[in-house]
Amino acid sequence: GAGVSQSPSNKVTEKGKDVELRCDPISGHTALYWYRQRLGQGLEFLIYFQGNSAPDKSGLPSDRFSAERTGESVSTLTIQRTQQEDSAVYLCASSRQEIRSGNTIYFGEGSWLTVV
Amino acid sequence: GDSVTQMEGPVTLSEEAFLTINCTYTATGYPSLFWYVQYPGEGLQLLLKATKADDKGSNKGFEATYRKETTSFHLEKGSVQVSDSAVYFCALSYMNSGYSTLTFGKGTMLLVSP
Repeated sequence: GAGVSQSPSNKVTEKGKDVELRCDPISGHTALYWYRQRLGQGLEFLIYFQGNSAPDKSGLPSDRFSAERTGESVSTLTIQRTQQEDSAVYLCASSRQEIRSGNTIYFGEGSWLTVV
Repeated sequence: GDSVTQMEGPVTLSEEAFLTINCTYTATGYPSLFWYVQYPGEGLQLLLKATKADDKGSNKGFEATYRKETTSFHLEKGSVQVSDSAVYFCALSYMNSGYSTLTFGKGTMLLVSP
């Protein structure tokens, strides 16, 4: 598609429920990133995919968080047993991945998650 | 590790004032540098970028010059508008172990009044 697409754009869920957030990267972009932005905070790196593998999962805050990517395209971020502190905007981004610097990274509009 | 430091906000200016938002970085390699902007209720958008030392990125009247000697990438605009009110993020990216990493500063909120 023309840009990074995320769904749902807004999600309100009850504490303890599981949620799935979806990201469709720009066509042809092999690199995919998930970030989290809590209210009034900067961006927290969660996970990075190169193709279907995730060489960097260092930012996942707990084992309740997981992500997968299939077909070098769509990625799903899953949060199990949601807690109120999980409330945030979850941002997905993608880029081409070539052996030179300067790869621009494009962001989706985010999925706004509220846990009540 | 890599890091990006931005001036804390909010920065409050009157319309047509000159804007500077400071950004400095630490990195072990030779990163590309970016400014992203987030308007109220919207996602992050790339504003400008520079890929090597002394490059100047520019867009929508904003400019930033990649200064390797001072490890800085300060954002400037000669005359701000109310519509520039947003949060601005400085970021760096470079290839490490075969893939790009992207590191953001904490963001600086800009408020422009008429």
